[in-house]
Amino acid sequence: GAGVSQSPSNKVTEKGKDVELRCDPISGHTALYWYRQRLGQGLEFLIYFQGNSAPDKSGLPSDRFSAERTGESVSTLTIQRTQQEDSAVYLCASSLEGGGPGGELFFGEGSRLTVL
Amino acid sequence: AQSVTQLDSQVPVFEEAPVELRCNYSSSVSVYLFWYVQYPNQGLQLLLKYLSGSTLVESINGFEAEFNKSQTSFHLRKPSVHISDTAEYFCAVTLSTGGFKTIFGAGTRLFVKA
Repeated sequence: GAGVSQSPSNKVTEKGKDVELRCDPISGHTALYWYRQRLGQGLEFLIYFQGNSAPDKSGLPSDRFSAERTGESVSTLTIQRTQQEDSAVYLCASSLEGGGPGGELFFGEGSRLTVL
Repeated sequence: AQSVTQLDSQVPVFEEAPVELRCNYSSSVSVYLFWYVQYPNQGLQLLLKYLSGSTLVESINGFEAEFNKSQTSFHLRKPSVHISDTAEYFCAVTLSTGGFKTIFGAGTRLFVKA
């Protein structure tokens, strides 16, 4: 597609349920990021995939969070046993060669997660 | 570890007044620097970037930012703002080595008043 696509755009779930958020990056982009944006706050880095390298998971807040990416295509962020503090907009971004020379990040519209 | 600090969470300003949004970073290696903007109800988009060369970079809508290595800053400025500049502005830093992870500041909400 022309841009980064995320689904679902909105997800309401009950505390304790698992959720899966999907990101379809721009074709050919080797780098993919997940960020979390809580209401009124900045972007919190979660995880970074770059080509075939091991992902940088240093931003994942707990072991309830995990993410996968198949090759240089779709990525899925999974949150197990959701808690109310997980409520946020989850943003996906992709870029050529990470953030290196010319490496502008292109963002999706985000998935808004509400945990009741 | 790298970090980005945006000192002002909110900046209210009158239309046609100048504005400066501050950004400081810390890193043990050289970095690439970016400003992203998020207009109301829209996704983030790149405003301008510094990769190398001239330390003063400009956007198409009149914003400019200057890389100051000694002060580790990358402040964003505009000499005369418009109502349409109302948005959230995020400073971002990417390390030049070690995987190019990009870290964002907490954001500055610019509110332009008539």
